[in-house]
Amino acid sequence: DTGVSQDPRHKITKRGQNVTFRCDPISEHNRLYWYRQTLGQGPEFLTYFQNEAQLEKSRLLSDRFSAERPKGSFSTLEIQRTEQGDSAMYLCASSFNRAGDVEQYFGPGTRLTVT
Amino acid sequence: GQQVMQIPQYQHVQEGEDFTTYCNSSTTLSNIQWYKQRPGGHPVFLIQLVKSGEVKKQKRLTFQFGEAKKNSSLHITATQTTDVGTYFCAGPGKTSYDKVIFGPGTSLSVIP
Repeated sequence: DTGVSQDPRHKITKRGQNVTFRCDPISEHNRLYWYRQTLGQGPEFLTYFQNEAQLEKSRLLSDRFSAERPKGSFSTLEIQRTEQGDSAMYLCASSFNRAGDVEQYFGPGTRLTVT
Repeated sequence: GQQVMQIPQYQHVQEGEDFTTYCNSSTTLSNIQWYKQRPGGHPVFLIQLVKSGEVKKQKRLTFQFGEAKKNSSLHITATQTTDVGTYFCAGPGKTSYDKVIFGPGTSLSVIP
């Protein structure tokens, strides 16, 4: 296993279009996180899954954002009716839920540009 | 709301000089984590601190967790060009332990 992978790496879309990103976590990891990062800022939490269950979603996340992890393995993040303010790097991270083990392994990210 | 702050935002040092970044939380933290992100890369976990007053070292990097568990620092001795990147501290959310709140980061540039 080579780590967390994300697809696509780059996405350019027009305002109003829908986009979907995919994340494949490290295979034995049961936790999966989505973050958004803009230039000069730290990763901003969006949502996370324990296996297939979505346990928390940021209150900052509008209803245009939805995430799934149907079989507890890969996850998708969909943004509907994209806006220019959605332009950012979308990072996925995974971890193994074990007492005292908080290390998250990040993927390379998907850079979204909304024109 | 819960905030994690870091200073300075940017630091430029001559190679060989020391570097310190400071992290402050508006709430008491059960643990603090540090990540490094190289330019164009993704965050990479460095360390976790759990105990009040804890100090951990990784080669030239020294991490400290404050006695009140509301602040932390990362000190790099004799910086090298490989230290270039942004250093983030992160802590668990106030309402959800599993939600991680990242600080804005300190961007380190090392002049050779």
